[in-house]
Amino acid sequence: GAVVSQHPSRVICKSGTSVKIECRSLDFQATTMFWYRQFPKQSLMLMATSNEGSKATYEQGVEKDKFLINHASLTLSTLTVTSAHPEDSSFYICSARYGGRGNQPQHFGDGTRLSIL
Amino acid sequence: DAKTTQPNSMESNEEEPVHLPCNHSTISGTDYIHWYRQLPSQGPEYVIHGLTSNVNNRMASLAIAEDRKSSTLILHRATLRDAAVYYCILSITNSGYALNFGKGTSLLVTP
Repeated sequence: GAVVSQHPSRVICKSGTSVKIECRSLDFQATTMFWYRQFPKQSLMLMATSNEGSKATYEQGVEKDKFLINHASLTLSTLTVTSAHPEDSSFYICSARYGGRGNQPQHFGDGTRLSIL
Repeated sequence: DAKTTQPNSMESNEEEPVHLPCNHSTISGTDYIHWYRQLPSQGPEYVIHGLTSNVNNRMASLAIAEDRKSSTLILHRATLRDAAVYYCILSITNSGYALNFGKGTSLLVTP
């Protein structure tokens, strides 16, 4: 099956640090990639959608200058949390999809647990 | 926005079939029905999806009502590894087919 690799799996860092998370589709070309955030005991919340070579589309309430998304190739997207603060601590999950239509499933990474001290 | 309604939790015995219901009464004609599941501290896993006809794969079956206002995910023989939160999600045309997760159904499987 389709494999999406997310790295790192866990990050612990000091407040004010910027953190970069990578999401790679290992065996298919991801036309579209998505970034989600999940707080404890809550569901996934979509943060942004990115298409290869285009600017990301952010959901309402998500600061685009805070959460920088780059989707430079069909197999790699990165999320950078700039100047992270304790309230940014969360479980960040990426997903990738081949094609741009609803008949294609999304394939998810295993998530990155970000802890800001 | 077309939304889904699922029971908060369900319980099943191991090796028995499980029927997980989902209501989506405001679904439109081009919206796909997707099912994913998530184990603790992991990313969601794709289970199955469909549009109008029932679908089968190695993991599960998806039964879609004729009016498409509801669907049922069927696990034919539950195992302890099937214990997870199951999400029924509509992939909506006018949102670029992004998936917006609801609260899902937490499935408990007992030996």
